[in-house]
Amino acid sequence: QSALTQPASVSGSPGQSITISCTATSSDVGSYNYVSWYQCHPGKAPKLMIYDVSNRPSGVSNRFSGSKSGNTASLTISGLQAEDEADYYCSSYTISSTLVFGGGTKLTVL
Amino acid sequence: EVQLVESGGGLVQPGRSLRLSCAASGFTFDDYAMDWVRQAPGKGLEWVSGISWNSGSTGYADSVKGRFTISRDNAKNSLYLQMNSLRAEDTALYYCAKDIGRIYRNPRMDVWGKGTTVTVSS
Repeated sequence: QSALTQPASVSGSPGQSITISCTATSSDVGSYNYVSWYQCHPGKAPKLMIYDVSNRPSGVSNRFSGSKSGNTASLTISGLQAEDEADYYCSSYTISSTLVFGGGTKLTVL
Repeated sequence: EVQLVESGGGLVQPGRSLRLSCAASGFTFDDYAMDWVRQAPGKGLEWVSGISWNSGSTGYADSVKGRFTISRDNAKNSLYLQMNSLRAEDTALYYCAKDIGRIYRNPRMDVWGKGTTVTVSS
């Protein structure tokens, strides 16, 4: 069982906003502001969408935003588009100097 | 164009060894930390190992510690993963990834290769 818990699936209609949560179940990850989010389309390499909780790499749409409250980080996608349909993974650095990923969330655009 | 190309995957028997390579191009390789991440069939992402820009620090997931060794050759713009004592549960697509920073700490991977498949089976 991952130290980061994500919902298995979320869905939304085009134009809507959705939020994917990522909850640290272990104290060795929850205390850091080192949460990243990755987008994975089938058959393609993962893409970094958010790092250090809320920072967006160059080239990532500002429709993607990140936040954190306590032990739960969140990825919000606003103005949902068909191409946003993908698997999303959160990750966090740990006090053991390792990186853990959440179990992943499948986003379906209805 | 920034590019990472993995190679060295294949079918290997349990207990044997395999060495993965990753050729980097389009960026200053020795300015960045690098990582290996894997994805087992039908499963999620799993970070495997990371190394700082100058090989000064490395890290490993508990699942591979003591069996896998990460290394890099900055003169050849290449990253490696030596995998020993392979197990069936090591079967996965292995990605090479570039970090956004120099130091192996808090891996944040902004460039990924397409991966190389490792299958451990008798």
